[in-house]
Amino acid sequence: GAVVSQHPSRVICKSGTSVKIECRSLDFQATTMFWYRQFPKQSLMLMATSNEGSKATYEQGVEKDKFLINHASLTLSTLTVTSAHPEDSSFYICSASSSLAAGEQFFGPGTRLTVL
Amino acid sequence: LAKTTQPISMDSYEGQEVNITCSHNNIATNDYITWYQQFPSQGPRFIIQGYKTKVTNEVASLFIPADRKSSTLSLPRVSLSDTAVYYCLVGEIEGRRALTFGSGTRLQVQP
Repeated sequence: GAVVSQHPSRVICKSGTSVKIECRSLDFQATTMFWYRQFPKQSLMLMATSNEGSKATYEQGVEKDKFLINHASLTLSTLTVTSAHPEDSSFYICSASSSLAAGEQFFGPGTRLTVL
Repeated sequence: LAKTTQPISMDSYEGQEVNITCSHNNIATNDYITWYQQFPSQGPRFIIQGYKTKVTNEVASLFIPADRKSSTLSLPRVSLSDTAVYYCLVGEIEGRRALTFGSGTRLQVQP
């Protein structure tokens, strides 16, 4: 089946530093990837939609200059949290849609970000 | 996108059948109903999807009445490993659309 990976799975950083999270579709091409954020005991909240070769579309309230998204290839999208602060600590999850199964999205395992 | 309403939490015991109902009164003609499962610190996992009547796969069944204003996810003979959050989503099947997650139902299976 379609597999999506994320790297790193867990990261701890100091306040003010930038962190890059990678999302890869391992066995399929994904023209569209999505980035979600999930705080403890809460549901997933969409942050942005990432389209290969074009600028990402951000949800209202999500700062595009703080959360930089790059989707340079059909199998890789990256989310960079710039100048991270403790309130950015969260669980970041990506998903990708596959032409193998129309309408089904495959989620990555998530990345736990902790900003000290 | 149709809004969904689910119970916040449910408790069950191993071996029991669990039915989780989701209300989606404003479901549109082109909308499908999809259920995802999420374990702590993991990404959601697709369980089942349907449009009407009944759908069954190796892990669950999905019952959808004729008016499609609700749906019920049925998990037969749950085990401890079924303890997770279950999300009901409603929308068109279009891979390029993001999914809108509601609050989900936290299922706790006890021994």
